[in-house]
Amino acid sequence: AQKITQTQPGMFVQEKEAVTLDCTYDTSDQSYGLFWYKQPSSGEMIFLIYQGSYDEQNATEGRYSLNFQKARKSANLVISASQLGDSAMYFCAMREYGGSQGNLIFGKGTKLSVKP
Amino acid sequence: GAGVSQSPRYKVAKRGQDVALRCDPISGHVSLFWYQQALGQGPEFLTYFQNEAQLDKSGLPSDRFFAERPEGSVSTLKIQRTQQEDSAVYLCASSSTSGGYNEQFFGPGTRLTVL
Repeated sequence: AQKITQTQPGMFVQEKEAVTLDCTYDTSDQSYGLFWYKQPSSGEMIFLIYQGSYDEQNATEGRYSLNFQKARKSANLVISASQLGDSAMYFCAMREYGGSQGNLIFGKGTKLSVKP
Repeated sequence: GAGVSQSPRYKVAKRGQDVALRCDPISGHVSLFWYQQALGQGPEFLTYFQNEAQLDKSGLPSDRFFAERPEGSVSTLKIQRTQQEDSAVYLCASSSTSGGYNEQFFGPGTRLTVL
């Protein structure tokens, strides 16, 4: 079974508007972390935001916020005031803390295109 | 440099050739991860090092894949007798703590094309 599911292969958003990228996850661990990474066409993975499973507040980092709904096992990324430079692939990832090391488990990604 | 570096950035190999991909993690980082990213997919875990010890190699797809980090810094991922299905971007990431229980910093990747 997929541990991270991103159901939107591609999304379009108008410049300056907000957009939500969906992510659902599956784990039996009580302790885990959720991450969002941005991958521009140049290929590097850029860390955006992190949410721990015990964090009660939704994480925010500048224009990025994570809408964490634990009971629904969802961790959607909200980008406010989209910019042309936001056009990229976005990956949701999870780290399960029950194991011996913290490799990331990634979804298949969502390609975001920002229109001028 | 301040970040994770990888070399070469691009590698073209003929089927059956051996290749070696290098990763220079951030200085002092204990944890080092290798991931494989096929075209249009998310990265998938290959192997993990804590210093020089390879603690997990469960993601290596076959015994043609071999990784080492002999002095606990630079790591090399070697693929023997390359096959077309090995074509992918190989990403290296490092983290300052053992177990990688904080942010992982990624390198730019090596794009391997096997003809």
